[in-house]
Amino acid sequence: SYELTQPPSVSVSPGQTARITCSGDALPKQYAYWYQQKPGQAPVLVIYKDTERPSGIPGRFSGSTSGTTVTLTISGVQAEDEADYFCQSADTSGSSYVFGTGTKVTVL
Amino acid sequence: EVQLVQSGAEVKKPGESLKISCRGSGYSFTSYWIAWVRQMPGKGLEWMGIIYPGDSDTTYSPSFQGQVTISADKSIRSAYLQWSSLKASDTAIYYCARRWYPVDAFDIWGQGTMVTVSS
Repeated sequence: SYELTQPPSVSVSPGQTARITCSGDALPKQYAYWYQQKPGQAPVLVIYKDTERPSGIPGRFSGSTSGTTVTLTISGVQAEDEADYFCQSADTSGSSYVFGTGTKVTVL
Repeated sequence: EVQLVQSGAEVKKPGESLKISCRGSGYSFTSYWIAWVRQMPGKGLEWMGIIYPGDSDTTYSPSFQGQVTISADKSIRSAYLQWSSLKASDTAIYYCARRWYPVDAFDIWGQGTMVTVSS
């Protein structure tokens, strides 16, 4: 089955930049989406269609893509950004959705 | 306000049946797909399947096909996830989420339903 691979964890100091990668063979053909999940809460969409930001999401969140890898960048990380982050996309047929393995962002 | 409100936590025994619900409000319920997502304790998100409440067209993840049933009742703006015979491994939080068309993202999520299966 199709998989999206993320690093298990990323640590960053306040004010620095966090970059979270997501790799998958179908990513050149399918859009990627990013969700933030804080403990005990439902996921929240922070990036859609690789690079777009929903209304209400701070400008420090951005997305980029290169080949089979997409990246979520959090610039000027704040303590409130400490959370789990999941990428999501579809398989090559577009008929099945898949989530990435998840990355825990720790703000030191 | 656009929201999805899920039914409350459940504690069941192995072999029992269960149906949990997700009620939409603040938008045209029949015009947006609703997905179900599993999160096992301390683990990641897994897409289970998706339904279009307008005509109940449903697609399942191969991993969950035959294990659960997804349904909807548009008259009461609700989607459902059900099991005929629960296993301990079904213990998880289950989320419903609205698919934002045509963006294809899951933009609105329910608060989650915790299902615990234990003898």
